[in-house]
Amino acid sequence: EAQVTQNPRYLITVTGKKLTVTCSQNMNHEYMSWYRQDPGLGLRQIYYSMNVEVTDKGDVPEGYKVSRKEKRNFPLILESPSPNQTSLYFCASSYMGQRYEQYFGPGTRLTVT
Amino acid sequence: LAKTTQPISMDSYEGQEVNITCSHNNIATNDYITWYQQFPSQGPRFIIQGYKTKVTNEVASLFIPADRKSSTLSLPRVSLSDTAVYYCLVGSLSGTYKYIFGTGTRLKVLA
Repeated sequence: EAQVTQNPRYLITVTGKKLTVTCSQNMNHEYMSWYRQDPGLGLRQIYYSMNVEVTDKGDVPEGYKVSRKEKRNFPLILESPSPNQTSLYFCASSYMGQRYEQYFGPGTRLTVT
Repeated sequence: LAKTTQPISMDSYEGQEVNITCSHNNIATNDYITWYQQFPSQGPRFIIQGYKTKVTNEVASLFIPADRKSSTLSLPRVSLSDTAVYYCLVGSLSGTYKYIFGTGTRLKVLA
């Protein structure tokens, strides 16, 4: 089954404790992206990747890191999480030629206390 | 990236046709219009995409007038399960790799 998976689905952590949210897709998509969703603010793009080893900043990259060492994986790293990063996070992927037809993961709800 | 404007919310009743309009006055020549649907606590799901005139699939229709400064997503005979947030995006398939979803339109279908 074609899908985007994220882990963990729920995470409660404390300020400053490094964490990684994993994202994996099995559709051989070149393009992958991370979004955060907050009430009243809609979906905002954090980082995106056009292919292996090619990444760039979205609209809200501060406090986040990403890497794309393999085509199928695109982890989101929070080196020193803060309470304002409490949010619902989504990973998405698509073919480069069909970049607006993105497939989204189920989401990761992160709480930073 | 073209900025889009949508109504914040809409209510409808089961069985009715729902039309959600998106305004994108500064759409560029190469831009396409794409709509997504998002249910609570789920990731958005691609619904439909178009460039001009009318596009129809098994889920919805997309109407785009000749000047392309707006577009209308049409959902025929909605049911309670169509209650969701609907997002309009505008962008080129060959341009920037950034996406701006905006806050979308919250559709509530009533029994």
